[in-house]
Amino acid sequence: DTGVSQDPRHKITKRGQNVTFRCDPISEHNRLYWYRQTLGQGPEFLTYFQNEAQLEKSRLLSDRFSAERPKGSFSTLEIQRTEQGDSAMYLCASSLAHRSLTSTDTQYFGPGTRLTVL
Amino acid sequence: GNSVTQMEGPVTLSEEAFLTINCTYTATGYPSLFWYVQYPGEGLQLLLKATKADDKGSNKGFEATYRKETTSFHLEKGSVQVSDSAVYFCALSPEGNQFYFGTGTSLTVIP
Repeated sequence: DTGVSQDPRHKITKRGQNVTFRCDPISEHNRLYWYRQTLGQGPEFLTYFQNEAQLEKSRLLSDRFSAERPKGSFSTLEIQRTEQGDSAMYLCASSLAHRSLTSTDTQYFGPGTRLTVL
Repeated sequence: GNSVTQMEGPVTLSEEAFLTINCTYTATGYPSLFWYVQYPGEGLQLLLKATKADDKGSNKGFEATYRKETTSFHLEKGSVQVSDSAVYFCALSPEGNQFYFGTGTSLTVIP
């Protein structure tokens, strides 16, 4: 069973450095989501893709954040000029949307990438 | 706007006790409602869901009923086990894309 995978699982970086995370969704899933989770909080939505198109971005996603899903399969999330406030768990999820825009799909989550910015 | 308010934890119960974790929501339209569970060291897993009013989601002995009149989706289990120790998240999805999660409720079940 190949679920959602994320790489790396942990990343420690110094403030001001750029970091990139990768997410590989479940293979037949056409939707991919990124969330951020801080300690003691639930996941907060960042952005999502349907195939290769980025359909929605949260206001939480500052200009330093960029996400891509170039071939509609894996996705990358890059954070430029990291700040200590970026320290969090970054979660990826995928789902299979049966209808074009609205759906009640179940999202399947990966294990997350824990980012620590020193 | 859309938001979820969950009962604060942590919750500690003895094995075989009855569990209720309260969840209320605010949403535009008719959202779908979910409970996710996160076991220690693991990722979020869907526990159950309900897509319309009066639906009851159930799985592994857990149940939750979508109550539109009280905007609630409380999680219940009649007899908890040590293996149920985890963090439980209530979530809503108003249009099937973005999810809004509660802050999570940590449950510890002691033998």
